[in-house]
Amino acid sequence: AQKITQTQPGMFVQEKEAVTLDCTYDTSDPSYGLFWYKQPSSGEMIFLIYQGSYDQQNATEGRYSLNFQKARKSANLVISASQLGDSAMYFCAMRGDRDDKIIFGKGTRLHILP
Amino acid sequence: DARVTQTPRHKVTEMGQEVTMRCQPILGHNTVFWYRQTMMQGLELLAYFRNRAPLDDSGMPKDRFSAEMPDATLATLKIQPSEPRDSAVYFCASATGQGIGQPQHFGDGTRLSIL
Repeated sequence: AQKITQTQPGMFVQEKEAVTLDCTYDTSDPSYGLFWYKQPSSGEMIFLIYQGSYDQQNATEGRYSLNFQKARKSANLVISASQLGDSAMYFCAMRGDRDDKIIFGKGTRLHILP
Repeated sequence: DARVTQTPRHKVTEMGQEVTMRCQPILGHNTVFWYRQTMMQGLELLAYFRNRAPLDDSGMPKDRFSAEMPDATLATLKIQPSEPRDSAVYFCASATGQGIGQPQHFGDGTRLSIL
């Protein structure tokens, strides 16, 4: 069975500091994809970044990067130079190669302090 | 920018009433998903479609919920009769269905309150 675990229910970080949001996963699929989504207080779900299990390099998108450690089954999101607008709920998610479904973790609520 | 469109954005109704939520997926996306989000359960997949065919509705209470795709531009989620425990935010998402790396794109959700 596939599973996503986000162990940090909430985090407080000072503005301009870097943030690491933890995500571990479990799957028996040989090929899979990992996603991070942001949900601000307004409620929409925003896709941030994707990492494929066979990608040689860690994914980056602007200030977002994914610290992918396959052997440890972890896919942590790193936000550099945090901004007040980064305050939101962040979800880690995974899709296997058997079907279209994505499973989501419980989320981490990030608070950026001025 | 192409977006998934959901209507209504908010719905308040009394217990026992029928509720219909609509979703217009992004043009060209052939997979459509319905999710329910609550504080207690987080994001739950209710049902999903590929090329308008239902592939999995195991997350949906069958006695009162139904999901359909009458055409490629419209997906509907109905609750009849509604109950207070159905109060949640319901999201529709769509994807191209081409490979593992294609993300799901979410609509803004329907915030449903059943009194």
